[in-house]
Amino acid sequence: AQSVSQHNHHVILSEAASLELGCNYSYGGTVNLFWYVQYPGQHLQLLLKYFSGDPLVKGIKGFEAEFIKSKFSFNLRKPSVQWSDTAEYFCAVSTYGGATNKLIFGTGTLLAVQP
Amino acid sequence: DTAVSQTPKYLVTQMGNDKSIKCEQNLGHDTMYWYKQDSKKFLKIMFSYNNKELIINETVPNRFSPKSPDKAHLNLHINSLELGDSAVYFCASSHHLRTSGTTDTQYFGPGTRLTVL
Repeated sequence: AQSVSQHNHHVILSEAASLELGCNYSYGGTVNLFWYVQYPGQHLQLLLKYFSGDPLVKGIKGFEAEFIKSKFSFNLRKPSVQWSDTAEYFCAVSTYGGATNKLIFGTGTLLAVQP
Repeated sequence: DTAVSQTPKYLVTQMGNDKSIKCEQNLGHDTMYWYKQDSKKFLKIMFSYNNKELIINETVPNRFSPKSPDKAHLNLHINSLELGDSAVYFCASSHHLRTSGTTDTQYFGPGTRLTVL
């Protein structure tokens, strides 16, 4: 069965620090990869996604992620975080070639940015 | 305009009651989903409907019954509520699989926080 691991459960950074959140998945076939963000008290919003092509994808708010197929990873990065980036970040995977469009989520990483 | 909307936003009820959560999307999508987010923020899919047809039904108790009157609506009815049903329930929608078989981005609603006392 597919699974997604996010190794950092809770990250605390100061403003302007660089961010990298890890995401690894287990699935041998072709995947679509997503990062969603959930700000306090709000719903999930899509940050970025990878379907095919350039493995380095850029999303909203200065976030980017790199798909490394050999490592089954899709780490999220931002060169300089802001206080407003405080949120929960979820990595998700869906596989294609089957009949359904099911997202498998990681357990999330809570990012707290200190001003 | 809200793309994916859910009502109510908060729901507090007693054990044993029956309750419903409604979801509507105005994105023209043909597939809708229900996810459950537990107290540890873990998100797990429960159901998915494509054009009013059930296509995903994860291991969810029979007390949970989704209903899709049309492809813009997917409601979730829960019978005999239990303490463990307390969670945030998210509705989502997307286009269905593309002809190439690739998946599509899912857009989420604001969530319904269900508290069972």
